[in-house]
Amino acid sequence: DTAVSQTPKYLVTQMGNDKSIKCEQNLGHDTMYWYKQDSKKFLKIMFSYNNKELIINETVPNRFSPKSPDKAHLNLHINSLELGDSAVYFCASSQVGSENTGELFFGEGSRLTVL
Amino acid sequence: DAKTTQPPSMDCAEGRAANLPCNHSTISGNEYVYWYRQIHSQGPQYIIHGLKNNETNEMASLIITEDRKSSTLILPHATLRDTAVYYCIVLHTGGFKTIFGAGTRLFVKA
Repeated sequence: DTAVSQTPKYLVTQMGNDKSIKCEQNLGHDTMYWYKQDSKKFLKIMFSYNNKELIINETVPNRFSPKSPDKAHLNLHINSLELGDSAVYFCASSQVGSENTGELFFGEGSRLTVL
Repeated sequence: DAKTTQPPSMDCAEGRAANLPCNHSTISGNEYVYWYRQIHSQGPQYIIHGLKNNETNEMASLIITEDRKSSTLILPHATLRDTAVYYCIVLHTGGFKTIFGAGTRLFVKA
């Protein structure tokens, strides 16, 4: 079983459209994340949810709206897509605490191309 | 912002040890050193982490200097499949915000 799975893996769409990327983890972790990796390959944190509550929001445009229906899922909805949104989006999860290593487990990424 | 400094790229011959350095001179007492790698465009993969003692697992060894201002990730017998970008990160206990820098692009050559 894949620990952190994202769908879709590839997404090609037109400017102005709205799209969603879904993420699920079966590791029982409390914390989930979205990272963005642009064409320059920098990996930047966007959001983090801990027990379904937003704990990190890194000055991401409000066109990006994460949704966490439960601890195992963190979806990313993007409104009014722009060319600059083209990137690979990675979902990750971790279990943070004094007895946990806190390491991140990443999904395989979702490559978004905006035309 | 990343609190670590790594060389942008390194080469290593297949079968030899790859030693990847990282400077983290502003590390605080409760911050761990974590290493991840990203092979091609796959999701980053956790390798190892440590606080002040040297650590070893099935993938690598982590050597942290006594003053904790720098560390070295050692891949004892590098293979072609170890070609990747390696990220050194500092993160405090219970921290949620793992920040990735530019990392070191390791090329393992036959």
